[in-house]
Amino acid sequence: DGGITQSPKYLFRKEGQNVTLSCEQNLNHDAMYWYRQDPGQGLRLIYYSQIVNDFQKGDIAEGYSVSREKKESFPLTVTSAQKNPTAFYLCASTQGIGGQETQYFGPGTRLLVL
Amino acid sequence: AQSVAQPEDQVNVAEGNPLTVKCTYSVSGNPYLFWYVQYPNRGLQFLLKYITGDNLVKGSYGFEAEFNKSQTSFHLKKPSALVSDSALYFCAVRDISGYALNFGKGTSLLVTP
Repeated sequence: DGGITQSPKYLFRKEGQNVTLSCEQNLNHDAMYWYRQDPGQGLRLIYYSQIVNDFQKGDIAEGYSVSREKKESFPLTVTSAQKNPTAFYLCASTQGIGGQETQYFGPGTRLLVL
Repeated sequence: AQSVAQPEDQVNVAEGNPLTVKCTYSVSGNPYLFWYVQYPNRGLQFLLKYITGDNLVKGSYGFEAEFNKSQTSFHLKKPSALVSDSALYFCAVRDISGYALNFGKGTSLLVTP
């Protein structure tokens, strides 16, 4: 988990509320990723960013938004449009964008709906 | 499309015995293959990867994996299991043109004393 921090560790969302998950890395990595983990489903890609001020949708982007204003930061907002947000959210980064690059993960944020 | 399959939801092994966690993949072209381990309520930790070269890849904590192109497999192995190896293991694949990883559903490894 070293080098990538995620906060908070637990987050509670009320109906109709937008919430933002923080992801910061001090590895000087170019690319960053957000995944959602549900039991028995593995990890699914929400968004990824290869460079500052640019990002692309992953497989399950609906109901989520991101920004990449700084190289070290890639916050994820879970909007009210996401009807089933309860999950474990993982942020990752890679030094470059080549296929051989290793992804390193943060410790995760668990989002629960009140 | 690229994908991986982990056919076993759970693997049970006695401490000291060898362990194998299975993974098969499907990609167009040459694959980049990865294994990660996850402990409860933690992020994923990188174990090893296959890029090219030797089919037997050695990684962290005594784990190794064998790349088999003809069988499109990348099974994770360890000669002697420890109770502390009990965790959730994920196989992942990326093809040369891809960016993010495609993960399997995970295999829960339980090592009993």
